Amino acid sequence: KAGVTQTPRYLIKTRGQQVTLSCSPISGHRSVSWYQQTPGQGLQFLFEYFSETQRNKGNFPGRFSGRQFSNSRSEMNVSTLELGDSALYLCASSRTGTGNTIYFGEGSWLTVV
Amino acid sequence: AQSVTQPDIHITVSEGASLELRCNYSYGATPYLFWYVQSPGQGLQLLLKYFSGDTLVQGIKGFEAEFKRSQSSFNLRKPSVHWSDAAEYFCAVGAEQAGTALIFGKGTTLSVSS
Repeated sequence: KAGVTQTPRYLIKTRGQQVTLSCSPISGHRSVSWYQQTPGQGLQFLFEYFSETQRNKGNFPGRFSGRQFSNSRSEMNVSTLELGDSALYLCASSRTGTGNTIYFGEGSWLTVV
Repeated sequence: AQSVTQPDIHITVSEGASLELRCNYSYGATPYLFWYVQSPGQGLQLLLKYFSGDTLVQGIKGFEAEFKRSQSSFNLRKPSVHWSDAAEYFCAVGAEQAGTALIFGKGTTLSVSS
């Protein structure tokens, strides 16, 4: 079956702009999570959505937001981009998010210039 | 504080030799433990996971890991490394109440020499 699909794979944005990243989870999975990966901070949890509700949130500023649709697809948005937001953003899906295997997508590479 | 430590930043192993990657964790609840592998420019691929039960778990690509609660460790092993195993390996810890909020280690980069 198809894995976790993220779009776009690569993008370049200017400081101050906003960006929206998209994630389609594995069919049947209702939990979608987002992670940020940078060389300095490593992999950090952003937030998790389950049944269109944010269920868990990491320690990131309010500029980072997300949502989930009724078909479990998710989007994350970063407003007022800063240079430090340059990162690989990974989406992960699991069946229910609790006690299930967590599968990751290939990620979206964001460069802020 | 909850954390995952992978003491080795970079390891080089000869092809055909055995491999052990170390992972220690500090976590307040009963942990779920994972090992993921990441090739350059790619996402994370799950190698294996431990939720409960048998403390020796088998994964894909010939990898295995052993959960040792007394040592708070979850080391990854492979008896014979192949050149294609060169990648970055991440240990992660979570818990039922944390959902999918995993805490990752900083990763260990594996190089394989011929």
